[in-house]
Amino acid sequence: SQQGEEDPQALSIQEGENATMNCSYKTSINNLQWYRQNSGRGLVHLILIRSNEREKHSGRLRVTLDTSKKSSSLLITASRAADTASYFCATEDQGGKLIFGQGTELSVKP
Amino acid sequence: NAGVTQTPKFQVLKTGQSMTLQCAQDMNHEYMSWYRQDPGMGLRLIHYSVGAGITDQGEVPNGYNVSRSTTEDFPLRLLSAAPSQTSVYFCASSYGSWYEQYFGPGTRLTVT
Repeated sequence: SQQGEEDPQALSIQEGENATMNCSYKTSINNLQWYRQNSGRGLVHLILIRSNEREKHSGRLRVTLDTSKKSSSLLITASRAADTASYFCATEDQGGKLIFGQGTELSVKP
Repeated sequence: NAGVTQTPKFQVLKTGQSMTLQCAQDMNHEYMSWYRQDPGMGLRLIHYSVGAGITDQGEVPNGYNVSRSTTEDFPLRLLSAAPSQTSVYFCASSYGSWYEQYFGPGTRLTVT
């Protein structure tokens, strides 16, 4: 079974709105990573948050981590059509392997 | 830096054929991994390697073999292709599983 699970599976919003995606995981982690995948392309790393961090920002991205609830959220503010992509969280399992969730498909309409 | 390269980009195989998907990186990364991506399933880890000469199984290793004779290369072998192996395959590399992963562009494989 997968370590990380994203919610929702799909999200459709208008340009300018904020998009929030959530990730839940099962075991304790050292860090959690978020990736973006444009259609038909490889994944691109967005942000890494360590287990001792609660919040991290990168441009229009804001990531939070709640280790007590084993969950993380990715917020994209003032979304643009170019943000249309799939977003994945990834954590390492107890064996040290990096496992990805199923992803959230974000559609931003102009 | 070329980053992570994968060849071929597309491949069609008949059931029972074998082939090798190539993956190479020029960033001196120790950790390399292979994932497959199927609709609605996200990315699933096939095999990974923490350094030359060391490989281990991921979530879905059956039907695939790997080897790691050099730091740069991490080929994935399909011994006897099956339609269930129709998928998009991604190779990734990094300094370790805890670090940012660099992905290749993917290989789209169809098995008929």
